[in-house]
Amino acid sequence: DAMVIQNPRYQVTQFGKPVTLSCSQTLNHNVMYWYQQKSSQAPKLLFHYYDKDFNNEADTPDNFQSRRPNTSFCFLDIRSPGLGDAAMYLCATSIVGTSGFVPLYEQYFGPGTRLTVT
Amino acid sequence: EDQVTQSPEALRLQEGESSSLNCSYTVSGLRGLFWYRQDPGKGPEFLFTLYSAGEEKEKERLKATLTKKESFLHITAPKPEDSATYLCAVQPPPWGGSQGNLIFGKGTKLSVKP
Repeated sequence: DAMVIQNPRYQVTQFGKPVTLSCSQTLNHNVMYWYQQKSSQAPKLLFHYYDKDFNNEADTPDNFQSRRPNTSFCFLDIRSPGLGDAAMYLCATSIVGTSGFVPLYEQYFGPGTRLTVT
Repeated sequence: EDQVTQSPEALRLQEGESSSLNCSYTVSGLRGLFWYRQDPGKGPEFLFTLYSAGEEKEKERLKATLTKKESFLHITAPKPEDSATYLCAVQPPPWGGSQGNLIFGKGTKLSVKP
């Protein structure tokens, strides 16, 4: 089945120690997103890739970086994790047409990576 | 500012007790409204997309409806396995501050007791 896969499902890192989360997809979608979700809160968009074009949200801290080496993979790098970065990190994909109006825009999410910072 | 508000924050039902969840939004030029189900510790699972006022979608015990200012997720005769957090998200036009990215509500946590 076509799907969005995130690894690892659980990640524990130390304060200030860089960490990388990965996401892969078999849906062949051209857009990939990274969200941060804290307990009982709405998912917060960090950034997204439209094909190779990187789009950063204005309030995403510089501590967060992303890479998309090819259509299938996307990585979230946290350069110096703080205690406040402990959260669920969600990867999502969608397909966007080139005609302007987008008839199919729902996003498909992976299972998430739960990040703990000690 | 584009906003999405879901109510109630939490809802407890007995098995078989039908009810509705509300998602109200303040978005000009809505492109689409989406409902997701999220189980604890998991990513959101897509349920429905609604594009225009008057549209309805159904899936098993769930029915989503859309007006110009809000959407309802109706749950008919719920079962314990329907317990989850239900998220609503809206897609504004791409020329706004959100650049067409989804704006999520905080969700309604539904508990269905046997």
